[in-house]
Amino acid sequence: QVQLVQSGAEEKKPGASVKLSCKGSGYTFTTYYINWVRQAPGQGLEWMGVISPSGSRITYAQKFQGRVTMTTDTSTGTVYMEMSGLRSEDTAVYYCARDRYAEDYFDLWGQGTLVTVSS
Amino acid sequence: DIVMTQSPDSLAVSPGERATINCKSSQSVLYTSQNKNYLAWFQQKPGQPPKLLFYWSSTRVSGVPDRFSVSGSGTDFTLTISSLQAEDVAVYYCQQYYSLPITFGQGTRLEIK
Repeated sequence: QVQLVQSGAEEKKPGASVKLSCKGSGYTFTTYYINWVRQAPGQGLEWMGVISPSGSRITYAQKFQGRVTMTTDTSTGTVYMEMSGLRSEDTAVYYCARDRYAEDYFDLWGQGTLVTVSS
Repeated sequence: DIVMTQSPDSLAVSPGERATINCKSSQSVLYTSQNKNYLAWFQQKPGQPPKLLFYWSSTRVSGVPDRFSVSGSGTDFTLTISSLQAEDVAVYYCQQYYSLPITFGQGTRLEIK
């Protein structure tokens, strides 16, 4: 079954870091880029960045430059997204979504990971 | 950045009636050498990730009902549901992938009247 499976919900304090995972299965991992998109409660979709399967090409949205790090592990077909300096405004569902080459349509999404930032 | 603007923000339509959602980009998303619009439409139901409906502005994803149709090119696009069904209640988003950063419209909430 072709799918992206994301790690479980996280609860963090302000100022902490969080590292989320997104594991691809049922397809050739090295053929697709992975994007991260977040959605605050009741809000729209916000693109955070994209990473190539090898990790050699990464583009972050300007808003997240310096606070987000995306990495890949080709041996396990897993992509990671780490965010530091968490604030309450980072409370959101974080999705990973694949495409073929960055400027492409997202044909498969993970189920989402809820990150709650609260003191 | 390309700004995507949808209208209306919300829409209530009676079952069996037509629903129309508009999407406008701040610059053309038509790649003229390929004659392709780098635009996609998504449907998102509560508690679920977005689901791809159309890509290259008008290529229908397998399994998407025929009552969904799209039109437009360049900067102006429309998603139409010809005869609204209860299962179509969702938030609909347009997305441009012409250039990074990828951007989405703010979403249109579609409800049953």
